[in-house]
Amino acid sequence: SQTIHQWPATLVQPVGSPLSLECTVEGTSNPNLYWYRQAAGRGLQLLFYSVGIGQISSEVPQNLSASRPQDRQFILSSKKLLLSDSGFYLCASGANVLTFGAGSRLTVL
Amino acid sequence: QQQVKQSPQSLIVQKGGISIINCAYENTAFDYFPWYQQFPGKGPALLIAIRPDVSEKKEGRFTISFNKSAKQFSLHIMDSQPGDSATYFCAASKGGSQGNLIFGKGTKLSVKP
Repeated sequence: SQTIHQWPATLVQPVGSPLSLECTVEGTSNPNLYWYRQAAGRGLQLLFYSVGIGQISSEVPQNLSASRPQDRQFILSSKKLLLSDSGFYLCASGANVLTFGAGSRLTVL
Repeated sequence: QQQVKQSPQSLIVQKGGISIINCAYENTAFDYFPWYQQFPGKGPALLIAIRPDVSEKKEGRFTISFNKSAKQFSLHIMDSQPGDSATYFCAASKGGSQGNLIFGKGTKLSVKP
């Protein structure tokens, strides 16, 4: 079975600062990887997905970017955070069944 | 455009009661309908899923009912327990892949002892 590690678990950052959230996957190779954002009352919003190293698809235009430098590593970044970037960020992996990590809670002040 | 509409937003049920959460979809190309359960501070986990070739699927106390003509599906939790208190998300995808799951907005369920 797959295990997804996300860090940091919580993060408080000032507006305009950079961001890097990391996700690594164990127990599988060449997984499909996803970044979701969960805001209160708005469900789960797919931000990025990747089917392989260096292959990133963006679902919504935003202040964020994603990279996949290794097969089982997925990184969510921003050069300058906005207040609206606050939320709960979830990394997920899978094809027929999605496995989610425990999430990273970002607060932008 | 919201393709999967979920209701209610929140639900309070007494222990032993039946919890019912409803979802409606618009895209008739959807062919996979999972439900995810999320406890506070955790990521969602797959609870149960159904494909449109069946009208009902049951796993323990959890049942999905599916109405293809109405484009609706629902989750029933029988004999609800305080441990079932969580947020539940319905979702839909097409092409048999979960790569582009469309999630509902979620239902926060509280089961009172």
